[in-house]
Amino acid sequence: DQQVKQNSPSLSVQEGRISILNCDYTNSMFDYFLWYKKYPAEGPTFLISISSIKDKNEDGRFTVFLNKSAKHLSLHIVPSQPGDSAVYFCAASVYSNYQLIWGAGTKLIIKP
Amino acid sequence: DAGVIQSPRHEVTEMGQEVTLRCKPISGHNSLFWYRQTMMRGLELLIYFNNNVPIDDSGMPEDRFSAKMPNASFSTLKIQPSEPRDSAVYFCASSFGGLGANVLTFGAGSRLTVL
Repeated sequence: DQQVKQNSPSLSVQEGRISILNCDYTNSMFDYFLWYKKYPAEGPTFLISISSIKDKNEDGRFTVFLNKSAKHLSLHIVPSQPGDSAVYFCAASVYSNYQLIWGAGTKLIIKP
Repeated sequence: DAGVIQSPRHEVTEMGQEVTLRCKPISGHNSLFWYRQTMMRGLELLIYFNNNVPIDDSGMPEDRFSAKMPNASFSTLKIQPSEPRDSAVYFCASSFGGLGANVLTFGAGSRLTVL
């Protein structure tokens, strides 16, 4: 039972354009969501998070949008840069608990 | 700070052998997590320590797996005996805070191959 789903295994975007990565979840008790980025042969690194009391959070080129009614969140990267090429993981927790439920990841490829 | 340090980075062993993975968390962090990543199951939490005490080991697959945290700066994950299905990347992560969903800092991982 996949509670957090990233349905696109990969995404290819032109440098300078917007990258939109999507994440769907099934558990309505999730109240805290995070995005991590992972380069090959490295561990995941934290990118941005959002609490369920918000519907948007921005940090520089990165914005996360949360649609609770649709149980959907998305990560927007504008503009996309070659260094953004990585695997992006969505994660969620119930009651902001330490137990994170992870999506399978989306590989983002930024084309020059 | 050098970040979360894991060793070895790569381990190849034969079925039945004992494997010990090591982790040094970030100084000052009081929470430590061991995760396993496989193609089939993605990232799974194996065990969580808070202030050196195991809080949740429900993700440890079976008795062949054990983890210890003898002090705030060191943890081990041991598999004995190892099996081919244990082949995966094992990540250690640390954070500062209580039982909440704090931001984790991951190590680079230990890639285990059991032949």
